[in-house]
Amino acid sequence: GQSLEQPSEVTAVEGAIVQINCTYQTSGFYGLSWYQQHDGGAPTFLSYNALDGLEETGRFSSFLSRSDSYGYLLLQELQMKDSASYFCAVDSSYKLIFGSGTRLLVRP
Amino acid sequence: DAGVIQSPRHEVTEMGQEVTLRCKPISGHDYLFWYRQTMMRGLELLIYFNNNVPIDDSGMPEDRFSAKMPNASFSTLKIQPSEPRDSAVYFCASKGTQTMNTEAFFGQGTRLTVV
Repeated sequence: GQSLEQPSEVTAVEGAIVQINCTYQTSGFYGLSWYQQHDGGAPTFLSYNALDGLEETGRFSSFLSRSDSYGYLLLQELQMKDSASYFCAVDSSYKLIFGSGTRLLVRP
Repeated sequence: DAGVIQSPRHEVTEMGQEVTLRCKPISGHDYLFWYRQTMMRGLELLIYFNNNVPIDDSGMPEDRFSAKMPNASFSTLKIQPSEPRDSAVYFCASKGTQTMNTEAFFGQGTRLTVV
């Protein structure tokens, strides 16, 4: 089966940097995605890593190590609007399996 | 494209009634997913389709749940009979495989309350 683990909650200050880790166990691994979800909204795509290394998209970066079954999402220059839940998701044979989510609270 | 469209946005029904949730995926996408989200269980994959064919329904909780995709532009998730524990937000998502980017696009969800 598949399983993903990520912290349930993270708090950080506006302007700071925060890292959200994700470890996974799966078969048929194609890649690791990250999604953001604001309260009452739908998950929206942030990034995808198929290969080892760092992918940067503006203030957000995502990292993958396939050998360690580990990835992280790095958010820089935190803004209040970044307060949301963040999910890692394994792309396993085209099936998207989500972790339980990390609730990020950004304080002034 | 207007994105993934789900209806209704909100549904309140009585226990024992049949509930049908609807989804229109993004045109050209060949994968369609149904998810259920609750505080306790997070985002659970219920079933997914590829080219209108159900590929994996191992997440469907029990026989009361069924899903169909009669054509590339429409899918339904049916619960019959509904129970209070089915109360959740149900998301439909679609994805294309034409590029390396495997972004899944989610609809706005249907918030189901069974009383």
